[in-house]
Amino acid sequence: ETGVTQSPTHLIKTRGQQVTLRCSSQSGHNTVSWYQQALGQGPQFIFQYYREEENGRGNFPPRFSGLQFPNYSSELNVNALELDDSALYLCASSHANLEQYFGPGTRLTVT
Amino acid sequence: KQEVTQIPAALSVPEGENLVLNCSFTDSAIYNLQWFRQDPGKGLTSLLLIQSSQREQTSGRLNASLDKSSGRSTLYIAASQPGDSATYLCAVPLTQGGSEKLVFGKGTKLTVNP
Repeated sequence: ETGVTQSPTHLIKTRGQQVTLRCSSQSGHNTVSWYQQALGQGPQFIFQYYREEENGRGNFPPRFSGLQFPNYSSELNVNALELDDSALYLCASSHANLEQYFGPGTRLTVT
Repeated sequence: KQEVTQIPAALSVPEGENLVLNCSFTDSAIYNLQWFRQDPGKGLTSLLLIQSSQREQTSGRLNASLDKSSGRSTLYIAASQPGDSATYLCAVPLTQGGSEKLVFGKGTKLTVNP
């Protein structure tokens, strides 16, 4: 059984650019949640996908969007990057609303 | 609105000490609470998940307790080691509509000095 994986590990973007982060869920899991963790803070919920549909959203603007694919992997897209988007982005997979298992994260730096 | 607070924000102890990390939450209508470990720049490793029907959960040198009525949980680490140095986060689930999100505290940064 493979765990949750994320790619890339880290990347650097310029303000105004767009970025796509990827997450492969753990085998048997149909739900993916995305979190943003700023330095020194706890993770903040961005949104959740269940069976390819957005299932809930936190307090993030529409330039944060996502997708979930038939194999339950997921993408997080952020448009018009701002300096404050610099953070560790974590995805977590679960089967429905059972325990969430986290990936290693993607460190995004916006300059 | 569920809010999670962790005290202290940082803790530095000598190796071998027993220590307690605290977590409090404002809405006691939770069905579980989870403790995570996070190494610098890394993802979250689940340490213990306590169901609301349980009062304690143990794994090795770690013991977590949950008191829903008072809105508190503690993580007890026995005989601390330098390898325990990390940030410890607690989280509770919050169901909104059809989704469940985790609400996290800001964490306690633990340093165990050899």
